[in-house]
Amino acid sequence: NAGVTQTPKFRILKIGQSMTLQCTQDMNHNYMYWYRQDPGMGLKLIYYSVGAGITDKGEVPNGYNVSRSTTEDFPLRLELAAPSQTSVYFCATTDSSSGNTIYFGEGSWLTVV
Amino acid sequence: GENVEQHPSTLSVQEGDSAVIKCTYSDSASNYFPWYKQELGKGPQLIIDIRSNVGEKKDQRIAVTLNKTAKHFSLHITETQPEDSAVYFCAARGSDGGATNKLIFGTGTLLAVQP
Repeated sequence: NAGVTQTPKFRILKIGQSMTLQCTQDMNHNYMYWYRQDPGMGLKLIYYSVGAGITDKGEVPNGYNVSRSTTEDFPLRLELAAPSQTSVYFCATTDSSSGNTIYFGEGSWLTVV
Repeated sequence: GENVEQHPSTLSVQEGDSAVIKCTYSDSASNYFPWYKQELGKGPQLIIDIRSNVGEKKDQRIAVTLNKTAKHFSLHITETQPEDSAVYFCAARGSDGGATNKLIFGTGTLLAVQP
């Protein structure tokens, strides 16, 4: 059982480039989240989704976009990469079927130069 | 919205000693408080959680206590072992997180257990 799968694991981007971080879950969870983790700053919520076709902004959404066309997938898009977006990105999921425990992926390390 | 503060940011203990990490939250309506352990290069993993109708919960060497009046909760690890070394995050689900299960995280504590 794969759980939450994120790709890529590592990526270096140039300023102004765009890219998509992929997140797939096989637990049939309705809720999905994207967090970023900066040193000493904990985890900040970027975007979240409570089900297919529904997305909403979290604490730090600027510079990002998401879509949720299926229950399984929740990609995060960076349109014009900036050095401030250098971070570790975590996708997470939960549902009442799992007692509302939030499960995290392994993370995607992104550097913008 | 909810705000969570976590202390200390780093904690070094000798193997076998106890470790305590404390968190405070701002939203008195928060009702769910999980603790996550993050090992190097991995995503956070849930180790224990507590709900607002309970004051204490134990699971082997780890325990969590909740003081709703003071709006703080703590993680206690007894008989620490080198494999307990990791970053620990507390989190809270505020009153606006009920329908979305959103969590607000503390800034993390780096625990180092010296053998």
